[in-house]
Amino acid sequence: QSALTQPRSVSGSPGQSVTISCTGTSSDVGGYIYVSWYQQHPGKAPKLVIYDVSKRPSGVPDRFSGSKSGNTASLTISGLQAEDEADYYCCSYADSHTYVFGTGTKVTVL
Amino acid sequence: EVQLVESGGGLVQPGGSLRLSCAASGFTLSSYWIHWVRQAPGEGLVWVSRINLDGRTTNYADSVKGRFTISRDNAKNTLYLQMNSLKAEDTAVYYCSRDFTGGSDYWGQGTLVTVSS
Repeated sequence: QSALTQPRSVSGSPGQSVTISCTGTSSDVGGYIYVSWYQQHPGKAPKLVIYDVSKRPSGVPDRFSGSKSGNTASLTISGLQAEDEADYYCCSYADSHTYVFGTGTKVTVL
Repeated sequence: EVQLVESGGGLVQPGGSLRLSCAASGFTLSSYWIHWVRQAPGEGLVWVSRINLDGRTTNYADSVKGRFTISRDNAKNTLYLQMNSLKAEDTAVYYCSRDFTGGSDYWGQGTLVTVSS
């Protein structure tokens, strides 16, 4: 149950796009469609922004998109806005009926 | 409005026990799996446990297996996390969350557990 690997930080200017990677193994990311992404502002609870690899919950802007290739999932934020500055975590269903989160990525809007 | 409200956190000595509660409202609790997720101060999210609709199926992270027990009382719209043999590394904010096709669509505000002598 090792954490999925995410870059520690990414940054971009308003209007630009940033992509966060989430690397696991065939026992988690590569083996299941249940990959989700969460946005967390300081002192707040996480918020679901992507589920089932690429689906957006109601109310989440279409600037957020997800994908997966092999053992790596990705979250792309297009048209970056100031309110997107937050920590982002991926999460995957894994073998033995467990879940594993990523190490987290801090997104900075320059 | 869907709400999850955790309670029961606090300061406990190493080796001690604590029971967290998660009160659900605004939806039919018995229709959803529920997770517990924790976050140590300044650290990332860590999945802890989940429970199925009727409470008969439970899963745990290796780090808490044998020490933590998840349960639910659908009649009371409440989830529980019984934590025994607590260690310093269990210090964290504990969140309950509602399962949504493998993710979690609603989260509580969290309750802080501090394990220290």
